[in-house]
Amino acid sequence: DQQVKQNSPSLSVQEGRISILNCDYTNSMFDYFLWYKKYPAEGPTFLISISSIKDKNEDGRFTVFLNKSAKHLSLHIVPSQPGDSAVYFCAARDNYGQNFVFGPGTRLSVLP
Amino acid sequence: DAGITQSPRHKVTETGTPVTLRCHQTENHRYMYWYRQDPGHGLRLIHYSYGVKDTDKGEVSDGYSVSRSKTEDFLLTLESATSSQTSVYFCAISEWTGMNTGELFFGEGSRLTVL
Repeated sequence: DQQVKQNSPSLSVQEGRISILNCDYTNSMFDYFLWYKKYPAEGPTFLISISSIKDKNEDGRFTVFLNKSAKHLSLHIVPSQPGDSAVYFCAARDNYGQNFVFGPGTRLSVLP
Repeated sequence: DAGITQSPRHKVTETGTPVTLRCHQTENHRYMYWYRQDPGHGLRLIHYSYGVKDTDKGEVSDGYSVSRSKTEDFLLTLESATSSQTSVYFCAISEWTGMNTGELFFGEGSRLTVL
């Protein structure tokens, strides 16, 4: 059973609008959450993270929100740009160590 | 960019043959990982290492073994490749920076096709 879920396999958004990518998790021991972006034929690259002691973290156009009671996090991209078109992975780390569990990914397409 | 090199980047092999993928890092990070990426599954952990000669199994370790004789190198071996091991394999590294911090850095990936 997947511990990290991304229920939307794909998402299309118009350039300039907001993109919202969602992620749900089941393990209450997860204490640190990350978002990765992946272009075809490249390795995933780190985008933004959030600790379980926070409910929001912002970095430029990217904001991650964490709702611990709902075991839900979301990534907001505002404004969306065509270069944001990629697969986005949500990941979580448990507080026992350095193991990272990934969701299945959401493919974002930003249309010009 | 983190100094992570995977080799080979592409390999085609036949069922039953042994395959070794190499990951080399220049960051002196303690932790190294092997993930595989498959459609619908995202990135799944195969094995990881938390130091020289210290390794442990991940979620999908059956059919794979690893070795880490030096801090900078982490090898993934398929003793007898099967078609189900056709995938893209990613090496990653990380360093413990304390609670609530730290992230994985990934290599470029190795695409393996088992015929």
